[in-house]
Amino acid sequence: EIVLTQSPGTLSLSPGERATLSCRASQSVITSYLAWYQQKPGQAPRLLIYGASSRATGIPDRFSGSGSGTDFTLTISRLEPEDFALYYCQQYDSSPGTFGQGTKVEIK
Amino acid sequence: QLQLQESGPGLVKPSETLSLTCTVSGGSISSSSYYWGWIRQPPGKGLEWIGSIYNSGSTYYKSSLKSRLTISVDTSKNQFSLKLNSVTAADTAVYYCARHNWYCGGGSCRPGTFDIWGQGTMVTVSS
Repeated sequence: EIVLTQSPGTLSLSPGERATLSCRASQSVITSYLAWYQQKPGQAPRLLIYGASSRATGIPDRFSGSGSGTDFTLTISRLEPEDFALYYCQQYDSSPGTFGQGTKVEIK
Repeated sequence: QLQLQESGPGLVKPSETLSLTCTVSGGSISSSSYYWGWIRQPPGKGLEWIGSIYNSGSTYYKSSLKSRLTISVDTSKNQFSLKLNSVTAADTAVYYCARHNWYCGGGSCRPGTFDIWGQGTMVTVSS
């Protein structure tokens, strides 16, 4: 199965700064079937990005996804207070579909 | 809008069966082309898809759990359920139910994106 490695483990930033989160796959995600989720403490994950770069319904345009092959990126252009959370990538290119271990974006 | 809600015991003894139900409200489980899945998250760890069902009753399980897992659907109650037997401490996790699409290609089928989730329920395996 494809293993997704997210980096960094923790990102310490201030509101208004730009956040760049990485998700690297152990083999090529050929179809670019790569999604990103946001999870806040005590809550279920929320779908942000699908197909590597398409925003899900209702997701602000400060969230953007990019990448192909084995390297994918989630960028938050200007961090809002509500953006400090855990972020997971997920590949659905090959069975069984897997998630990364997560990147925590915390307030500096 | 569509909502999902998990229910079931929060404590299960080792070697026994973990049983959870997901109730779907705000829409019919059988009227859409979506699949209904279970995902779990051990404390402090990442997410793991464990299995899914379609409204026809077709089931799809993660291979490592296949021998212990049963997922069923009751369209009359708008619910789907999970039973995981012979549990150990390694099965301790928050269990989420979620709606998702399904992809087939390249010789395999797998869950796609999970767009609507339940709030999750913590299940602890302990004597």
